[in-house]
Amino acid sequence: TQLLEQSPQFLSIQEGENLTVYCNSSSVFSSLQWYRQEPGEGPVLLVTVVTGGEVKKLKRLTFQFGDARKDSSLHITAAQPGDTGLYLCAGARNTDKLIFGTGTRLQVFP
Amino acid sequence: KAGVTQTPRYLIKTRGQQVTLSCSPISGHRSVSWYQQTPGQGLQFLFEYFSETQRNKGNFPGRFSGRQFSNSRSEMNVSTLELGDSALYLCASLPGQGRNEQFFGPGTRLTVL
Repeated sequence: TQLLEQSPQFLSIQEGENLTVYCNSSSVFSSLQWYRQEPGEGPVLLVTVVTGGEVKKLKRLTFQFGDARKDSSLHITAAQPGDTGLYLCAGARNTDKLIFGTGTRLQVFP
Repeated sequence: KAGVTQTPRYLIKTRGQQVTLSCSPISGHRSVSWYQQTPGQGLQFLFEYFSETQRNKGNFPGRFSGRQFSNSRSEMNVSTLELGDSALYLCASLPGQGRNEQFFGPGTRLTVL
């Protein structure tokens, strides 16, 4: 059973477009993290959100944690080829292990 | 600080063999987690070690094992390799002290023929 479902699974867009990636669960998480993984590398942490309703911005990336702490979204404004990669959300329930989402593979064409 | 290092980066084995992968965490990090990543199953948690003790374990068969040394370096071992064990094996180092963000190494790409 996959506790964290991401959508869409694949996304292919042109440079300059906006996009949103969703991470949904029926479980409540104490915190949620977003990672980006590029080919041949391990995932790199982008952000951690811990409070329901929290919004964090990282340049052109906006992360939101749902009010009920069951879901999250990642919005990218004016995507660039450098944003290409696999985006993974990961939820933590107290001190338990992190549970990773199914992943969204983003391709941004110049 | 140097990042997480994993060796080897690439490995080719045949069915039935065994393999040992190594991970050196970020200096000062005492917790190490291991993951298996495949296109079909995504990132699956294998186990976590803290101060030489296994603190958490995922749903993998007993052929998958690990250990951690006093210097926090960790190894994982897979015995009696199967074709389905072909994957990217990622090691992550955790800062501890209540923080659960993971700092990943580049992974070991294992191919089982």
